[in-house]
Amino acid sequence: DQQVKQNSPSLSVQEGRISILNCDYTNSMFDYFLWYKKYPAEGPTFLISISSIKDKNEDGRFTVFLNKSAKHLSLHIVPSQPGDSAVYFCAAADRGSTLGRLYFGRGTQLTVWP
Amino acid sequence: GAVVSQHPSWVICKSGTSVKIECRSLDFQATTMFWYRQFPKQSLMLMATSNEGSKATYEQGVEKDKFLINHASLTLSTLTVTSAHPEDSSFYICSARDLGGYNSPLHFGNGTRLTVT
Repeated sequence: DQQVKQNSPSLSVQEGRISILNCDYTNSMFDYFLWYKKYPAEGPTFLISISSIKDKNEDGRFTVFLNKSAKHLSLHIVPSQPGDSAVYFCAAADRGSTLGRLYFGRGTQLTVWP
Repeated sequence: GAVVSQHPSWVICKSGTSVKIECRSLDFQATTMFWYRQFPKQSLMLMATSNEGSKATYEQGVEKDKFLINHASLTLSTLTVTSAHPEDSSFYICSARDLGGYNSPLHFGNGTRLTVT
């Protein structure tokens, strides 16, 4: 049972424009959300996170939005750069459960073209 | 930033042999490390939670006698794939969290590509 879903396996965006990656979750106990970026044959790299007490968190070109009522979060990248091309994983955690357990979506392959 | 080192990066072994993968936290201590497996175009699937000084906790469907986990120190966890078979071929990734931060994100190793022939 996939508790974290990324319904778009791929996204293609032109350099300089906005990339929006979406993620939905089903478990209402999740209260901490993260985005990871992954290049081929490498481990995921942490990008940005958000706690359920917030609805927005911004770090440079990356902004994560959380809509708790819709159980939906999104990652915005502005402006998109070719180096952003990678697989992006959405992850969620219930901090009341086993410490450190993350549930991952299947990932979205972002391609930023010049 | 925190770094997790995983070794080897890739390994090819014959069916029936055992392979050990190491996961080290280089600049922080981790009482808990996690082992994930990723199939092509699939999500990261948690295999087990490795606890320093105690037995690992395995996820449902993961054979503990096949995937031996040892977490002997605060900076090292090992995963041994015993009697490997071609279906064990996969990308294995470890992760750890800095003791100092409950809300700190997991840091991942670069993964190990295992190919069993």
